[in-house]
Amino acid sequence: RKEVEQDPGPFNVPEGATVAFNCTYSNSASQSFFWYRQDCRKEPKLLMSVYSSGNEDGRFTAQLNRASQYISLLIRDSKLSDSATYLCVVTNSNSGYALNFGKGTSLLVTP
Amino acid sequence: NAGVTQTPKFRILKIGQSMTLQCTQDMNHNYMYWYRQDPGMGLKLIYYSVGAGITDKGEVPNGYNVSRSTTEDFPLRLELAAPSQTSVYFCASSLLGPNSGNTIYFGEGSWLTVV
Repeated sequence: RKEVEQDPGPFNVPEGATVAFNCTYSNSASQSFFWYRQDCRKEPKLLMSVYSSGNEDGRFTAQLNRASQYISLLIRDSKLSDSATYLCVVTNSNSGYALNFGKGTSLLVTP
Repeated sequence: NAGVTQTPKFRILKIGQSMTLQCTQDMNHNYMYWYRQDPGMGLKLIYYSVGAGITDKGEVPNGYNVSRSTTEDFPLRLELAAPSQTSVYFCASSLLGPNSGNTIYFGEGSWLTVV
């Protein structure tokens, strides 16, 4: 089982839609959790950290379920500019200094 | 603000050639990393450094070498390039380690093709 698994998509949604991405991780000792965004042929950029209590940043909401080893990202009122690949990222003490990246979920928001 | 700067952005190498990917950061970060990203795959850590003079292997170090003589610079050396090293390479840096929850900043990437 891979350390971090994501549905690769692509998710095609119309502008204004709400879309949710899921991510599961295999190591129960995982410590830190993030969502990164990567545009085509660009570098990953931090979208938001994910906290146990859940957190929100504008139209984006991240949730963490440690018992189920599951992370989610909800995007409300999708914009064309949200089109990108969303990377689920997990760290744990076993991986040393490596960030464990999922393969990413591709989102295309259409007019 | 420069952040993390990588050069070159694109390079084609012949099998067996060697080259160095340059990386520099101007944020006075202690931690620096080299990742590779193959098509449709997640990023994999090649090497990392926790400070000047200290480097260590990541998940996929074979065929690469690094050095960290200054806080700012973290070059990645490819010896005897192989087609399996065709990939996009990202240099990154952070003030603290990944488990601190610290933001990791990535360079724009270097596209390397080995033919």
